[in-house]
Amino acid sequence: DGGITQSPKYLFRKEGQNVTLSCEQNLNHDAMYWYRQDPGQGLRLIYYSQIVNDFQKGDIAEGYSVSREKKESFPLTVTSAQKNPTAFYLCASKGVGETQYFGPGTRLLVL
Amino acid sequence: AQSVSQHNHHVILSEAASLELGCNYSYGGTVNLFWYVQYPGQHLQLLLKYFSGDPLVKGIKGFEAEFIKSKFSFNLRKPSVQWSDTAEYFCAVNALWDSNYQLIWGAGTKLIIKP
Repeated sequence: DGGITQSPKYLFRKEGQNVTLSCEQNLNHDAMYWYRQDPGQGLRLIYYSQIVNDFQKGDIAEGYSVSREKKESFPLTVTSAQKNPTAFYLCASKGVGETQYFGPGTRLLVL
Repeated sequence: AQSVSQHNHHVILSEAASLELGCNYSYGGTVNLFWYVQYPGQHLQLLLKYFSGDPLVKGIKGFEAEFIKSKFSFNLRKPSVQWSDTAEYFCAVNALWDSNYQLIWGAGTKLIIKP
């Protein structure tokens, strides 16, 4: 089955801790995206990558970092610099016709 | 700055009622337009999209949307809703942003259908 997987489903972060959210796709898509979803605010772009070993900041990149060492993988690290990390995080890849395909999401909670 | 506005954050309808969800965008250039849907507990998925041609596009589950260029609008419609249409609906516009094409998202509309 082709698709996007995200893990874990729920993640708890302590003060001052960095945490990494996993995103893997087997759709052979070049472009991948990380969004943050907060109630009433829609999706806001954190980082995106058009191709392996390249990525760009989105609208709300502060306090986050990414890597794109493999086409299939685009992990997101929420650093201790992100002061309000509690949110639902969605990973997506872009296929033919500009359509984005989404993973199931990771809900990050702060202890 | 480019933006996408969805006029209603919450809509409650009874089954068999007609639905129209508004979406307006602010961008003067060429756009590609999308509606995505997020059913409870499921992935965000594409409902329909407009790239060119007939401005009335049909999507899955009986949904359609009309692109009106002069009004910068892409409203979503369904003539008769069902309880299973309960979901959150997002309008998105693909436009040139900071020298790259990016999807700009509306805030979403939560639709609740009363059985």
